[in-house]
Amino acid sequence: QVQLQQWGAGLVKPSETLSLTCAVSGGSFGGYFWTWIRQTPGEGLEWIGEISHSGRANYNPSLKSRVYISMDMSQKQFSLSLKSVTAADTSTYYCARGDPEWLQLDIWGQGALVTVSS
Amino acid sequence: SSELTQDPPVSVALGQTVTIACQGASLTRYYPSWYQQKPGQAPLLVFYGRSNRPSGIPDRISASSFGNTASLTISGAQAEDEADYYCYSRDSTGDHLVFGAGTKVTVL
Repeated sequence: QVQLQQWGAGLVKPSETLSLTCAVSGGSFGGYFWTWIRQTPGEGLEWIGEISHSGRANYNPSLKSRVYISMDMSQKQFSLSLKSVTAADTSTYYCARGDPEWLQLDIWGQGALVTVSS
Repeated sequence: SSELTQDPPVSVALGQTVTIACQGASLTRYYPSWYQQKPGQAPLLVFYGRSNRPSGIPDRISASSFGNTASLTISGAQAEDEADYYCYSRDSTGDHLVFGAGTKVTVL
């Protein structure tokens, strides 16, 4: 079965860059939208952005100036970079697989808490 | 504020039915998907599209849409249905995706 395994630094200093990677196992990489979502402690879900298997990225307008999503199809991995972070970026970050048929996020990573603090 | 508006927290007696709503302009063009999230866990897809329930999701969970409002119904609520529920769809421009703020469902 398809699984997403994510990893990255759990502590990032203010003004630096947050970086996370998500690896796909047990399924194909092509034909889906590979998505990043975050959730501030005790709050709701926020869509950060997505990248298609063709490499076309789409970002949340509120984060667009700071976010970059990339992918490595040969490794079946996709990555999130968020620059110039502040304490407001402290969140649990999730990667997920988006299906183009109905846009549903059918497979999720385990989540990773990233804390922004000096 | 989110482009998808969800109901405030609701409670339901064990075995009874609860319906929660998600409202937004984009829902006249796109079906939302629905996610259940329990504390400390990643969200779980529970319904999507016109009438699709992922494997393993009980058939007491259903959804419908009419106009700019989509609804998720839990019929015969069980203790394990207590969770936050989020809707997810395109924003009003159609270019980006957005979550509703979520509705907490408490089973009494």
